[in-house]
Amino acid sequence: GNSVTQMEGPVTLSEEAFLTINCTYTATGYPSLFWYVQYPGEGLQLLLKATKADDKGSNKGFEATYRKETTSFHLEKGSVQVSDSAVYFCALSNGGGSNYKLTFGKGTLLTVNP
Amino acid sequence: GAVVSQHPSRVICKSGTSVKIECRSLDFQATTMFWYRQFPKKSLMLMATSNEGSKATYEQGVEKDKFLINHASLTLSTLTVTSAHPEDSSFYICSVGQTGEQYFGPGTRLTVT
Repeated sequence: GNSVTQMEGPVTLSEEAFLTINCTYTATGYPSLFWYVQYPGEGLQLLLKATKADDKGSNKGFEATYRKETTSFHLEKGSVQVSDSAVYFCALSNGGGSNYKLTFGKGTLLTVNP
Repeated sequence: GAVVSQHPSRVICKSGTSVKIECRSLDFQATTMFWYRQFPKKSLMLMATSNEGSKATYEQGVEKDKFLINHASLTLSTLTVTSAHPEDSSFYICSVGQTGEQYFGPGTRLTVT
């Protein structure tokens, strides 16, 4: 079956530090990969995605590259801000259209201090 | 992407009562919605897939008689927690599937006393 493993944290950084959150996956076929962010007390927001090998998803300074050879989709940001403090979820989907399922990692809590 | 709302955002109920949570797709006709449960410091657990006009598909281990799902229209799905108990206290989140992505509602915090 499908599974996603990500570093659980918590991760605490100072503002302007470099961020890496590791994510690896197990899946059959060619899944799509996602990073979602959840701010305190809110639902999840799609941060970025990649649908095929070597694709790079990027948004708001965050990047992740779909590495099929290492089955990884690590999230990076060169300079974090206090407003980036949130829980980050790596996820994969093996389906298409509207009737598919997401498999989530356990989430990584990021705290950025001023 | 699709805009999804949930109501209520927070609810407190007494043990043994039932609670209904609404999930609305505000700008997209959703044939499929998903219901998740999130425990503190835990990932999201998919509870069921809600299909408009038909029965929901429940994940293994989820009691369908306890968590009633109704998807009567293309913009509304409801989750009713029947005979709630303190262990049902959790954060419930719905999502809408659209063009290969899922868009999530803001969540409902249920506390059963």
